[in-house]
Amino acid sequence: DVKVTQSSRYLVKRTGEKVFLECVQDMDHENMFWYRQDPGLGLRLIYFSYDVKMKEKGDIPEGYSVSREKKERFSLILESASTNQTSMYLCASSTSGGRSSYGYTFGSGTRLTVV
Amino acid sequence: DQQVKQNSPSLSVQEGRISILNCDYTNSMFDYFLWYKKYPAEGPTFLISISSIKDKNEDGRFTVFLNKSAKHLSLHIVPSQPGDSAVYFCAAREGGSEKLVFGKGTKLTV
Repeated sequence: DVKVTQSSRYLVKRTGEKVFLECVQDMDHENMFWYRQDPGLGLRLIYFSYDVKMKEKGDIPEGYSVSREKKERFSLILESASTNQTSMYLCASSTSGGRSSYGYTFGSGTRLTVV
Repeated sequence: DQQVKQNSPSLSVQEGRISILNCDYTNSMFDYFLWYKKYPAEGPTFLISISSIKDKNEDGRFTVFLNKSAKHLSLHIVPSQPGDSAVYFCAAREGGSEKLVFGKGTKLTV
């Protein structure tokens, strides 16, 4: 069974902390994505990566950075956490070339609370 | 500017009846449409998809209809069951892109 695993289900961090959210997929997918989900705003794309060491900004990259050193791992970094970054963070992966009709496979999400 | 719109934030349906979730889009370059289902505290899971060259795709109780001229798609769930209660996201992919564009979701309560 294919999987996208996010390292933490729940996190509580203090304002100003540097926060790392980790995501690992075992499907040898080329593409990986980070979204945040907020009530009434749906899923908003933060960053994505089409290949190792490659990254592109999504719709709301401010306050975030990412790292993809290995194909299976995509990390989201909150450089200095703020309360408006309290959210559900979702990692997803997909294969390239439109070969999959399933689009993305999502992880279970990380509920981050910044206090 | 929203390219994928789900105009109903919520929908309540009686068990056994039909649920119809709607989605509108503006980008005529979208070539693939997908529906995802999301339970609280879980990631979205794929439900059903449709290519832009088709107008209907069916999978068990779930059917997706695509009306390209109206730039509209809908998800029909028949019969609706309590376990169908979740947030449903409509998503679209532009040809040649790996990114999906999501709507804001519709919360279905059965």
